[in-house]
Amino acid sequence: DAKTTQPPSMDCAEGRAANLPCNHSTISGNEYVYWYRQIHSQGPQYIIHGLKNNETNEMASLIITEDRKSSTLILPHATLRDTAVYYCIVRSGNSGYSTLTFGKGTMLLVSP
Amino acid sequence: EPEVTQTPSHQVTQMGQEVILRCVPISNHLYFYWYRQILGQKVEFLVSFYNNEISEKSEIFDDQFSVERPDGSNFTLKIRSTKLEDSAMYFCASREGGETQYFGPGTRLLVL
Repeated sequence: DAKTTQPPSMDCAEGRAANLPCNHSTISGNEYVYWYRQIHSQGPQYIIHGLKNNETNEMASLIITEDRKSSTLILPHATLRDTAVYYCIVRSGNSGYSTLTFGKGTMLLVSP
Repeated sequence: EPEVTQTPSHQVTQMGQEVILRCVPISNHLYFYWYRQILGQKVEFLVSFYNNEISEKSEIFDDQFSVERPDGSNFTLKIRSTKLEDSAMYFCASREGGETQYFGPGTRLLVL
């Protein structure tokens, strides 16, 4: 699975959009970009994933650059409950039993 | 919405004792996982389980660890003789057949 790079921490004001970047310059053609988050001491929570196209669901939007070397997770209206560590994970769609390799992620702090 | 459940939420044990951590995956899921997170560190993969056998395991998953699906609903992780360094949060996860894993709330294990 390709390596990812994320900033260690970010701040966001409540109600504003949170834009979390992820670099994955060695991503290959069949690798997906996944985002999970972990609220303090809870289990990781799936947010969204994508291959090439931008994706949106009820939680967030995922913007993937045309060359697929980077992506941005967007939380459109961050709330205090969005304070968490956000993990960007790149993995193949054909990689066996789909174990996830977590990095250190980005600690997003949403403040009033 | 269906969710992965884990029991107990907290477990305190003496070094050398056996512990069994229990998980109830989402009912129609086929792939099951255990991860752990030592305090302040990354989430680490331990083992994956499919079709009643281990499909992948990490270096952490040594002979002290075992997994079992004793019936149609439970998935257990047993640590035969606990060590101080086994103190961690243990997360169970499951997935249906697609790539998305759904995590439980975790069991906090403290070995004294």
